[in-house]
Amino acid sequence: QVQLVQSGAEVKKPGASVKVSCKASGYTFTSYGISWVRQAPGQGLEWMGWISAYNGNTNYAQKLQGRVTMTTDTSTSTAYMELRSLRSDDTAVYYCARRAPIDAFDIWGQGTMVTVSS
Amino acid sequence: EIVMTQSPATLSVSPGERATLSCRASQSVSSNLAWYQQKPGQAPRLLIYGASTRATGIPARFSGSGSGTEFTLTISSLQSEDFAVYYCQQYNNWWTFGQGTKVEIK
Repeated sequence: QVQLVQSGAEVKKPGASVKVSCKASGYTFTSYGISWVRQAPGQGLEWMGWISAYNGNTNYAQKLQGRVTMTTDTSTSTAYMELRSLRSDDTAVYYCARRAPIDAFDIWGQGTMVTVSS
Repeated sequence: EIVMTQSPATLSVSPGERATLSCRASQSVSSNLAWYQQKPGQAPRLLIYGASTRATGIPARFSGSGSGTEFTLTISSLQSEDFAVYYCQQYNNWWTFGQGTKVEIK
Protein backbone atom coordinates (compact mmCIF):
# COMPACT_ATOMS: atom_id res chain seq x y z
CA GLN A 1 0.00 0.00 0.00
CA VAL A 2 0.96 3.63 -0.37
CA GLN A 3 2.90 4.78 2.66
CA LEU A 4 5.55 7.09 4.00
CA VAL A 5 7.79 5.75 6.77
CA GLN A 6 9.89 8.18 8.74
CA SER A 7 13.06 7.78 10.76
CA GLY A 8 13.05 7.50 14.53
CA ALA A 9 13.01 10.05 17.32
CA GLU A 10 15.98 12.35 17.84
CA VAL A 11 17.37 14.29 20.80
CA LYS A 12 19.65 17.17 19.93
CA LYS A 13 21.43 19.97 21.76
CA PRO A 14 20.82 23.62 20.91
CA GLY A 15 22.89 24.68 17.92
CA ALA A 16 23.07 21.18 16.46
CA SER A 17 21.47 19.89 13.25
CA VAL A 18 18.97 17.12 12.62
CA LYS A 19 18.17 15.20 9.45
CA VAL A 20 14.88 13.33 9.21
CA SER A 21 14.17 10.79 6.49
CA CYS A 22 10.88 9.81 4.85
CA LYS A 23 10.83 6.63 2.73
CA ALA A 24 8.03 6.26 0.22
CA SER A 25 6.58 3.02 -1.07
CA GLY A 26 3.61 1.83 -3.07
CA TYR A 27 3.71 4.59 -5.69
CA THR A 28 6.00 6.23 -8.25
CA PHE A 29 8.10 8.51 -6.06
CA THR A 30 9.01 11.00 -8.75
CA SER A 31 5.38 11.64 -9.68
CA TYR A 32 4.59 13.51 -6.45
CA GLY A 33 6.05 16.22 -4.29
CA ILE A 34 6.75 15.92 -0.58
CA SER A 35 5.97 18.57 2.00
CA TRP A 36 7.21 18.76 5.56
CA VAL A 37 4.94 19.88 8.38
CA ARG A 38 5.80 20.23 12.06
CA GLN A 39 3.74 20.34 15.22
CA ALA A 40 5.09 21.66 18.51
CA PRO A 41 3.73 19.99 21.66
CA GLY A 42 0.07 20.90 22.12
CA GLN A 43 0.15 23.24 19.14
CA GLY A 44 -1.18 23.31 15.57
CA LEU A 45 0.32 22.35 12.23
CA GLU A 46 3.02 24.46 10.61
CA TRP A 47 3.99 24.01 6.97
CA MET A 48 7.78 24.04 6.59
CA GLY A 49 8.38 23.59 2.90
CA TRP A 50 8.03 21.44 -0.20
CA ILE A 51 10.25 19.58 -2.60
CA SER A 52 9.48 18.19 -6.02
CA ALA A 53 10.62 14.58 -6.19
CA TYR A 54 10.68 14.98 -9.97
CA ASN A 55 13.27 17.74 -10.32
CA GLY A 56 14.30 18.73 -6.79
CA ASN A 57 12.72 22.19 -6.88
CA THR A 58 12.02 23.50 -3.41
CA ASN A 59 10.07 26.20 -1.61
CA TYR A 60 10.60 26.90 2.07
CA ALA A 61 8.50 28.77 4.61
CA GLN A 62 9.98 32.22 5.07
CA LYS A 63 10.60 31.82 8.80
CA LEU A 64 12.82 28.78 8.17
CA GLN A 65 14.75 30.14 5.18
CA GLY A 66 18.47 29.64 5.71
CA ARG A 67 18.06 26.92 8.34
CA VAL A 68 16.22 24.20 6.44
CA THR A 69 17.20 22.07 3.46
CA MET A 70 15.00 19.48 1.78
CA THR A 71 16.42 16.86 -0.55
CA THR A 72 15.44 13.60 -2.20
CA ASP A 73 17.20 10.41 -3.22
CA THR A 74 15.21 8.96 -6.10
CA SER A 75 17.27 5.75 -6.07
CA THR A 76 15.79 4.87 -2.67
CA SER A 77 12.51 6.84 -2.91
CA THR A 78 13.47 8.78 0.19
CA ALA A 79 12.99 12.42 1.10
CA TYR A 80 15.09 14.21 3.70
CA MET A 81 14.62 17.32 5.80
CA GLU A 82 17.63 18.87 7.53
CA LEU A 83 17.18 21.63 10.09
CA ARG A 84 20.25 23.46 11.39
CA SER A 85 21.04 25.74 14.34
CA LEU A 86 18.40 24.02 16.42
CA ARG A 87 16.66 25.95 19.20
CA SER A 88 14.36 24.78 21.96
CA ASP A 89 11.33 26.01 20.03
CA ASP A 90 12.19 23.57 17.23
CA THR A 91 11.06 20.78 19.55
CA ALA A 92 8.18 19.21 17.65
CA VAL A 93 6.85 16.22 15.78
CA TYR A 94 7.98 16.47 12.17
CA TYR A 95 5.78 14.95 9.46
CA CYS A 96 6.37 14.34 5.80
CA ALA A 97 3.30 14.33 3.57
CA ARG A 98 2.66 13.57 -0.09
CA ARG A 99 1.37 16.37 -2.22
CA ALA A 100 -1.53 14.87 -4.14
CA PRO A 101 -2.43 16.00 -7.68
CA ILE A 102 -5.20 18.05 -6.09
CA ASP A 103 -2.45 19.83 -4.10
CA ALA A 104 -3.68 18.80 -0.66
CA PHE A 105 -1.70 16.27 1.38
CA ASP A 106 -3.22 12.82 0.94
CA ILE A 107 -0.63 10.54 2.59
CA TRP A 108 1.28 11.32 5.78
CA GLY A 109 4.23 9.75 7.52
CA GLN A 110 3.88 8.60 11.11
CA GLY A 111 5.85 11.56 12.43
CA THR A 112 9.31 11.94 13.98
CA MET A 113 9.74 13.53 17.40
CA VAL A 114 12.69 15.90 17.58
CA THR A 115 13.60 17.16 21.04
CA VAL A 116 16.03 20.04 21.44
CA SER A 117 17.38 20.23 24.95
CA SER A 118 20.64 21.02 26.67
CA GLU B 1 1.36 34.75 3.57
CA ILE B 2 -2.32 33.82 3.67
CA VAL B 3 -3.54 33.59 7.25
CA MET B 4 -6.24 31.03 8.06
CA THR B 5 -8.44 31.62 11.09
CA GLN B 6 -10.66 28.88 12.52
CA SER B 7 -13.57 29.22 14.90
CA PRO B 8 -14.44 28.26 17.50
CA ALA B 9 -11.26 27.03 19.16
CA THR B 10 -13.26 24.36 20.99
CA LEU B 11 -16.69 22.97 20.15
CA SER B 12 -18.58 20.87 22.69
CA VAL B 13 -21.10 18.58 21.03
CA SER B 14 -23.15 15.58 22.12
CA PRO B 15 -22.92 12.35 20.12
CA GLY B 16 -25.51 12.32 17.34
CA GLU B 17 -25.64 16.11 17.10
CA ARG B 18 -24.45 18.28 14.23
CA ALA B 19 -21.13 20.11 14.38
CA THR B 20 -20.33 23.17 12.28
CA LEU B 21 -16.73 24.41 12.06
CA SER B 22 -15.66 27.64 10.36
CA CYS B 23 -12.51 28.69 8.56
CA ARG B 24 -11.73 32.13 7.18
CA ALA B 25 -8.89 33.12 4.84
CA SER B 26 -7.19 36.52 4.96
CA GLN B 27 -7.58 36.73 1.17
CA SER B 28 -9.40 34.70 -1.44
CA VAL B 29 -8.16 31.12 -1.89
CA SER B 30 -10.87 30.25 -4.43
CA SER B 31 -11.85 26.63 -3.69
CA ASN B 32 -8.28 25.59 -2.82
CA LEU B 33 -9.18 24.56 0.70
CA ALA B 34 -8.75 21.25 2.52
CA TRP B 35 -9.86 19.92 5.90
CA TYR B 36 -7.92 17.44 8.02
CA GLN B 37 -8.79 15.45 11.11
CA GLN B 38 -6.16 14.68 13.73
CA LYS B 39 -6.54 12.37 16.72
CA PRO B 40 -4.09 12.31 19.63
CA GLY B 41 -0.80 10.65 18.74
CA GLN B 42 -1.74 10.30 15.08
CA ALA B 43 -0.85 12.04 11.86
CA PRO B 44 -3.50 14.23 10.27
CA ARG B 45 -5.91 12.60 7.83
CA LEU B 46 -7.28 14.30 4.73
CA LEU B 47 -11.07 14.64 4.87
CA ILE B 48 -12.06 17.23 2.28
CA TYR B 49 -10.30 18.92 -0.64
CA GLY B 50 -11.45 21.43 -3.21
CA ALA B 51 -13.57 22.88 -0.37
CA SER B 52 -16.30 20.28 -0.80
CA THR B 53 -14.96 16.98 -2.21
CA ARG B 54 -14.63 14.11 0.25
CA ALA B 55 -11.35 12.22 0.14
CA THR B 56 -11.34 8.49 -0.47
CA GLY B 57 -13.05 6.53 2.28
CA ILE B 58 -14.44 9.54 4.14
CA PRO B 59 -18.03 9.00 5.38
CA ALA B 60 -20.85 11.05 3.90
CA ARG B 61 -21.60 12.66 7.28
CA PHE B 62 -18.61 14.94 6.59
CA SER B 63 -19.35 17.78 4.19
CA GLY B 64 -17.55 20.95 3.22
CA SER B 65 -18.77 24.18 1.68
CA GLY B 66 -17.66 27.68 0.81
CA SER B 67 -15.35 29.51 -1.55
CA GLY B 68 -13.25 32.63 -1.57
CA THR B 69 -12.61 33.47 2.07
CA GLU B 70 -15.34 31.69 4.05
CA PHE B 71 -15.53 27.92 4.51
CA THR B 72 -17.46 25.46 6.64
CA LEU B 73 -16.97 21.85 7.65
CA THR B 74 -20.15 20.14 8.83
CA ILE B 75 -20.36 16.80 10.58
CA SER B 76 -24.01 15.87 10.34
CA SER B 77 -24.28 13.40 13.22
CA LEU B 78 -21.24 13.08 15.43
CA GLN B 79 -19.95 9.59 16.10
CA SER B 80 -17.59 8.71 18.93
CA GLU B 81 -14.67 8.42 16.51
CA ASP B 82 -15.20 12.00 15.26
CA PHE B 83 -14.05 13.67 18.46
CA ALA B 84 -10.71 15.10 17.36
CA VAL B 85 -9.00 18.28 16.22
CA TYR B 86 -9.85 19.62 12.76
CA TYR B 87 -7.61 21.83 10.67
CA CYS B 88 -8.31 23.78 7.52
CA GLN B 89 -5.52 24.36 5.00
CA GLN B 90 -5.30 26.64 2.00
CA TYR B 91 -3.28 25.59 -1.02
CA ASN B 92 -3.96 28.52 -3.32
CA ASN B 93 -0.58 30.09 -2.53
CA TRP B 94 1.74 27.39 -1.22
CA TRP B 95 0.20 26.07 2.01
CA THR B 96 -0.92 27.40 5.38
CA PHE B 97 -3.01 25.83 8.12
CA GLY B 98 -5.55 27.23 10.50
CA GLN B 99 -4.89 26.88 14.22
CA GLY B 100 -7.43 24.07 14.61
CA THR B 101 -10.82 23.44 16.20
CA LYS B 102 -11.09 20.80 18.90
CA VAL B 103 -14.39 18.91 18.85
CA GLU B 104 -15.00 17.49 22.29
CA ILE B 105 -17.74 15.47 23.93
CA LYS B 106 -20.38 17.57 25.68
